[in-house]
Amino acid sequence: SAVISQKPSRDICQRGTSLTIQCQVDSQVTMMFWYRQQPGQSLTLIATANQGSEATYESGFVIDKFPISRPNLTFSTLTVSNMSPEDSSIYLCSVAAGGIFENTEAFFGQGTRLTVV
Amino acid sequence: AQKVTQAQTEISVVEKEDVTLDCVYETRDTTYYLFWYKQPPSGELVFLIRRNSFDEQNEISGRYSWNFQKSTSSFNFTITASQVVDSAVYFCALTREPYMDSSYKLIFGSGTRLLVRP
Repeated sequence: SAVISQKPSRDICQRGTSLTIQCQVDSQVTMMFWYRQQPGQSLTLIATANQGSEATYESGFVIDKFPISRPNLTFSTLTVSNMSPEDSSIYLCSVAAGGIFENTEAFFGQGTRLTVV
Repeated sequence: AQKVTQAQTEISVVEKEDVTLDCVYETRDTTYYLFWYKQPPSGELVFLIRRNSFDEQNEISGRYSWNFQKSTSSFNFTITASQVVDSAVYFCALTREPYMDSSYKLIFGSGTRLLVRP
């Protein structure tokens, strides 16, 4: 299993500012994933973060708006840049862990609840 | 393309009633995984079950049971004798076989909000 710690758990930010969300995993993982959950909506994948390479962004998400760092196998950050009220969402970090194919699980952090005012 | 449909937006039941949450999926992959997650009001995602495409056996875990039918591309979730603590949003999700493209990206359904009234 994997235990994921996300910080901050929640924040209220002014529009035009940026917020960096941290995700720490208690074991080394190859890939980390960042999801967004807008109010009352489902989860949408923002990007996949690999250690040592550029993150891979899904359609509709761009690096300038959501820069991601992945400095090592246990840590990643997601920055929400130049925020607007539309960025108010829960942002979740996820990892796949387990080692053995059949035992691979998708684990989620507790999420960061962001409100932009 | 992969897609997950949860047609029930919201369900309200009285405590001790049984309730079934529907999940229909679309994929062209022959190997895939299906998941159910629970999201209580606190916001975290709680893993409930993972099922691979080759295992069509139904599963029971306490008051929870899952019915996987490839013929209808459905993976339904039943809660027996529901309790107030079951109130949450439940998500069904799908992913292709891990490591086929070195990814484990989940495609989520829109979720079903379950309200269990005392």
